[in-house]
Parts: sequence; structure tokens; C-alpha cells
Amino acid sequence: GNSVTQMEGPVTLSEEAFLTINCTYTATGYPSLFWYVQYPGEGLQLLLKATKADDKGSNKGFEATYRKETTSFHLEKGSVQVSDSAVYFCALRGGKLIFGQGTELSVKP
Amino acid sequence: GAVVSQHPSWVICKSGTSVKIECRSLDFQATTMFWYRQFPKQSLMLMATSNEGSKATYEQGVEKDKFLINHASLTLSTLTVTSAHPEDSSFYICSASTAGGPNDEQFFGPGTRLTVL
Repeated sequence: GNSVTQMEGPVTLSEEAFLTINCTYTATGYPSLFWYVQYPGEGLQLLLKATKADDKGSNKGFEATYRKETTSFHLEKGSVQVSDSAVYFCALRGGKLIFGQGTELSVKP
Repeated sequence: GAVVSQHPSWVICKSGTSVKIECRSLDFQATTMFWYRQFPKQSLMLMATSNEGSKATYEQGVEKDKFLINHASLTLSTLTVTSAHPEDSSFYICSASTAGGPNDEQFFGPGTRLTVL
């Protein structure tokens, strides 16, 4: 069946550091891929998405590229801010949404 | 826009009692609502999908007699955990979409933490 694996957290970075959160998936067919973010005390919010191979999703300085050959959808940001501290979930949809386990990011000033 | 609320945000109950969790779409009509369960350090697992006015569709392994879902209006769905036991302690999250298709965007509530003593 379909599954998503993302790197374990917590990840702690200093402000302005480069961020990568790895995400790989297993799926039949051609699923859509997503990154969701959950800020403390709030619901999950869609951060970005890509619907086909080689698509790049981007939002708020974050970006991720749908890599079919490596079945990956790694999240990157060039310069993180304290306000980026949250839990990030990678997900795929081939019918229903399937989530990775989440990666907690903590950015220190 | 597209705000989903849940109530309560946390609840503690005694073993054997029933607990009701509400999920509301505040500024849109939700044709479809989803209920997820999340264990610590684990991913969200879909429990069931409900369409307004219809019976919920439960995922394999989810006891429909234990987790009662009612989607009585386009803005409200409820999840009732009946005869709760400590193993039901978890974080329950709902989401809602404006249309019925599996490819429509889901908007998530903030979650409800249930602790059963």
C-alpha cells in the first residue's frame, strides 16, 4: 500500500540556517504530494503541493520538488525564521490522504 | 477563510464513559468531513469519512460501533467515543472539504486530545 516516510525530529536550527526535511514515499500510480504545517495550538495548514513528476511546489520561501525517480519530495528553505517553528507533515494522496509521522522544527534566535 | 474548529480542545474522562467531540466548519459548508487519529510521534491515520446526511464510511480496522460519527449538517460533524478505555486515549483531528471528491483540499481543525483514565 501507499506510505510516506519523513525524517525524524526534532530538528533544531539557528535563525537564517538552511532547512531540509526529507520525505520519501511508496505509491502505486501517480499520487499528488503535499507538505502541511502545524503551528502550536492550530490545525494543519497546506504549505505547498505538487501534482506530477518534476513539479515544484513553493510557498512562504519553502519549496519541494516531486522527484519520481527517487520517490522523494524533500522540503527546503534557504533561511529559516523563528516563526517557522512548527511540525511539518509530508503527505500523499492517491485517493485518501496518507501522512508521514511529522517532523518538529525548532528555530532559535 | 476556511476555518475549522473542534470542541473540546482536550478532555479527560473515566473508563467506560462516552465522549463527544464536535467539528465545525465556521465559514464554509462542508460536504465531506474526515476524522483522523494521531498517536504521539506518529502520523495521522484516517478513521472515517462522512458526507452530510449519509452514514460514515469507516477505514478497515476502525470499530464503527465504538466511534460513532454523525454529520447532521453542512457545518457540523460529531465523533462519539463510546465506552472509552485507556487505549482510546489519543489526539483526534477532523478536517472538512467543500466538495465530495477525494482530490479536494481538506481544511483541518486544531485537534482534540482525549485522555481516558
